[in-house]
Amino acid sequence: GENVEQHPSTLSVQEGDSAVIKCTYSDSASNYFPWYKQELGKGPQLIIDIRSNVGEKKDQRIAVTLNKTAKHFSLHITETQPEDSAVYFCAASTLEDSNYQLIWGAGTKLIIKP
Amino acid sequence: GAVVSQHPSRVICKSGTSVKIECRSLDFQATTMFWYRQFPKQSLMLMATSNEGSKATYEQGVEKDKFLINHASLTLSTLTVTSAHPEDSSFYICSARPAPSTDTQYFGPGTRLTVL
Repeated sequence: GENVEQHPSTLSVQEGDSAVIKCTYSDSASNYFPWYKQELGKGPQLIIDIRSNVGEKKDQRIAVTLNKTAKHFSLHITETQPEDSAVYFCAASTLEDSNYQLIWGAGTKLIIKP
Repeated sequence: GAVVSQHPSRVICKSGTSVKIECRSLDFQATTMFWYRQFPKQSLMLMATSNEGSKATYEQGVEKDKFLINHASLTLSTLTVTSAHPEDSSFYICSARPAPSTDTQYFGPGTRLTVL
């Protein structure tokens, strides 16, 4: 089955700098890759996603890149702000028993230092 | 758009009692809802997939008689933790998918269950 690895587990960056979180997946049939932001005590919030027919997608300070050949995708946050501090999860969508399921990375705790 | 609510947000109960958690999609119809469990500092663990009008599909290791799921309508799914014990204490999160042929999931805010 699908396996998603996420790195690093913790990332500390200075406010204003960029942050990059990387994920790799194993199932070449996966074709949908969302990124979620989870603040303490809250549910995950979808922040950006990408499908396998696209190599890059951008939404203001957030961008995601996908390399299908290498089976990895990355989240890029530019001009980081204190409110970006949270745990970020990547996921890959796989079809199981006629249902799409998300296979999750282990999460990255992003700390923005003022 | 794509708002999912959960109720209650927090619940404390005594060991042996049952607790019901509601998950609602507020501005869309969800043919599929998912229930997750999350332990501190860990990723989300899928417990079951629930399709409206059908029995839920449980992941390996999840007891269906312990965690009862009812997906009665296109906007409501409930998770009942029966005969709760302290080891059931966790953060339970639901998500909903707007259409059967898509794979985007929108999450609720979660329910913190503490069993004394």
